[in-house]
Amino acid sequence: GAVVSQHPSRVICKSGTSVKIECRSLDFQATTMFWYRQFPKQSLMLMATSNEGSKATYEQGVEKDKFLINHASLTLSTLTVTSAHPEDSSFYICSARSLGAHNSPLHFGNGTRLTVT
Amino acid sequence: AQTVTQSQPEMSVQEAETVTLSCTYDTSESDYYLFWYKQPPSRQMILVIRQEAYKQQNATENRFSVNFQKAAKSFSLKISDSQLGDAAMYFCAYRRNDMRFGAGTRLTVKP
Repeated sequence: GAVVSQHPSRVICKSGTSVKIECRSLDFQATTMFWYRQFPKQSLMLMATSNEGSKATYEQGVEKDKFLINHASLTLSTLTVTSAHPEDSSFYICSARSLGAHNSPLHFGNGTRLTVT
Repeated sequence: AQTVTQSQPEMSVQEAETVTLSCTYDTSESDYYLFWYKQPPSRQMILVIRQEAYKQQNATENRFSVNFQKAAKSFSLKISDSQLGDAAMYFCAYRRNDMRFGAGTRLTVKP
């Protein structure tokens, strides 16, 4: 089945530094990837939609300069949290949709737990 | 904007019994997809079942079935013969282009 690999699974960084999270589709091509954020005991909130070869589309309230998204190939999207602060600590999950499979479910990565100290 | 509402923050069921989780959504579209995902403590998102809006027949996957009422914009999940391993957070999701999730229902299964 389709597999999405997300790395790292956990990261601890100091306030003011930047952190990059990778999302890879291992056995399929994904023109579109989605980035979600999940606070403890809450739902997944869509942050942005990442399209291969074009700029990401951000949800209202999400700072595009703080959460940089790059989708340079059909199998890789990255989310960089710039100048991280403790309030950015959260669980980040990516998901991907297979190329041409409009009616397929999204395939999720296993998530990244970010802790900013 | 599409919204997904899960009105039951927590539900509990006795092992081997049946439980129904509720979900309603709001949309002006006629073509879309609905999903139920399970999220255990590992935080992995596991697809439980999906429903295409153009299909009138309710989807079924083994012990899991849905009651899809398109006019009412309702999409409930029924779990039959509940097992201890069913305990998790359950999220209802709506998808047309991107995917939106409800707030989730925490299901506890009592032995």
